[in-house]
Amino acid sequence: AQTVTQSQPEMSVQEAETVTLSCTYDTSESDYYLFWYKQPPSRQMILVIRQEAYKQQNATENRFSVNFQKAAKSFSLKISDSQLGDAAMYFCAYRRSSDDMRFGAGTRLTVKP
Amino acid sequence: DGGITQSPKYLFRKEGQNVTLSCEQNLNHDAMYWYRQDPGQGLRLIYYSQIVNDFQKGDIAEGYSVSREKKESFPLTVTSAQKNPTAFYLCASMEWTGRYNEQFFGPGTRLTVL
Repeated sequence: AQTVTQSQPEMSVQEAETVTLSCTYDTSESDYYLFWYKQPPSRQMILVIRQEAYKQQNATENRFSVNFQKAAKSFSLKISDSQLGDAAMYFCAYRRSSDDMRFGAGTRLTVKP
Repeated sequence: DGGITQSPKYLFRKEGQNVTLSCEQNLNHDAMYWYRQDPGQGLRLIYYSQIVNDFQKGDIAEGYSVSREKKESFPLTVTSAQKNPTAFYLCASMEWTGRYNEQFFGPGTRLTVL
């Protein structure tokens, strides 16, 4: 079974600084999709960014970008110019094209003013 | 507005009672999912359904049951057989025909067993 590992249970960043959250996954597939979800204190899951495995170019959404290393099976999330509203749990997720989604255990991000 | 609704937001149950959590979506999505979230464990899949009148067990289906009689609805019943039901439950849906699609989530239900 595919597994997703987030090795950082907690991270903190100073407001306006940059932080990187790590994610690794285990798969023997070549065609799959990767996602980062944000869960703020309201507990509503919100999609932050997604990446198709066959695309070499790293995805970017405003202040959020990923570093996708397919050979290393690594999918880290970089948050630039961190804001207080970025404080949340962040979940990395993996999905094959015809399968359900697998989530990591999450990283709790604290943003210090 | 299109989205996913879950009710109730908070639910209390006495030991030995069954309880049903509601999940409704108006996104016209084919697939629906139920997850359980415990502290430090991320989301674990309970059941999922890709089409009406069909559903499959996820990783932790024991003590739970579901039905999918309508495309819009995917209720989850937590039975008395579930040994530790206190948790946060999330429902999600997805357009199955698209390869590159994410799951959309409801606001969740917090279940507490008294």
